[in-house]
Amino acid sequence: AQSVSQHNHHVILSEAASLELGCNYSYGGTVNLFWYVQYPGQHLQLLLKYFSGDPLVKGIKGFEAEFIKSKFSFNLRKPSVQWSDTAEYFCAVNAAGGYQKVTFGTGTKLQVIP
Amino acid sequence: EAGVVQSPRYKIIEKKQPVAFWCNPISGHNTLYWYLQNLGQGPELLIRYENEEAVDDSQLPKDRFSAERLKGVDSTLKIQPAELGDSAVYLCASSLEGRGLAHSNNEQFFGPGTRLTVL
Repeated sequence: AQSVSQHNHHVILSEAASLELGCNYSYGGTVNLFWYVQYPGQHLQLLLKYFSGDPLVKGIKGFEAEFIKSKFSFNLRKPSVQWSDTAEYFCAVNAAGGYQKVTFGTGTKLQVIP
Repeated sequence: EAGVVQSPRYKIIEKKQPVAFWCNPISGHNTLYWYLQNLGQGPELLIRYENEEAVDDSQLPKDRFSAERLKGVDSTLKIQPAELGDSAVYLCASSLEGRGLAHSNNEQFFGPGTRLTVL
């Protein structure tokens, strides 16, 4: 079974600072990777996903993530955060091939200070 | 297009009482999921339906939890009797999954959740 680790539980940044949220997974085979975001008072929504191909994935709102297979990592990045990026971010993984259960990390709360 | 609808949004009950949650998925989505999210944790799958069939209920505590999706559209999740430890957010999600594909879309659309408090 796969598992996901998000090492940063709470991150505080000033506006315009660069962001990198760590995500490591454990699974021996081919995986699909996701980042979901939950803004205050809103539901979980997909930020970006990786299935195959270019390991650098671009998502909505200027976010991107890079899949590094050798490191089992899928870190989320944004060059310059805004106050509106304040949210909780969840990394998720599932085994590729047909339907496989999606396993979520514990989430990272990002607080952006104006 | 309407998203995933859940009701109620909040529910407060006393322990040992029954409680039910309702979910209406995005129109046309054949796959429906119920997740449990404890404070400070990510969502954990309880049950997954493909149309009206529960194809993964291995994480559902069957002594007190039950779910149904009779017509393959909306679904209910029930707890009877509720315990203090059941206090959490119950999330419903839906997706459109294709049979026989090398990999499915797997993009799940989540509802707002039901926050359950058991006193």
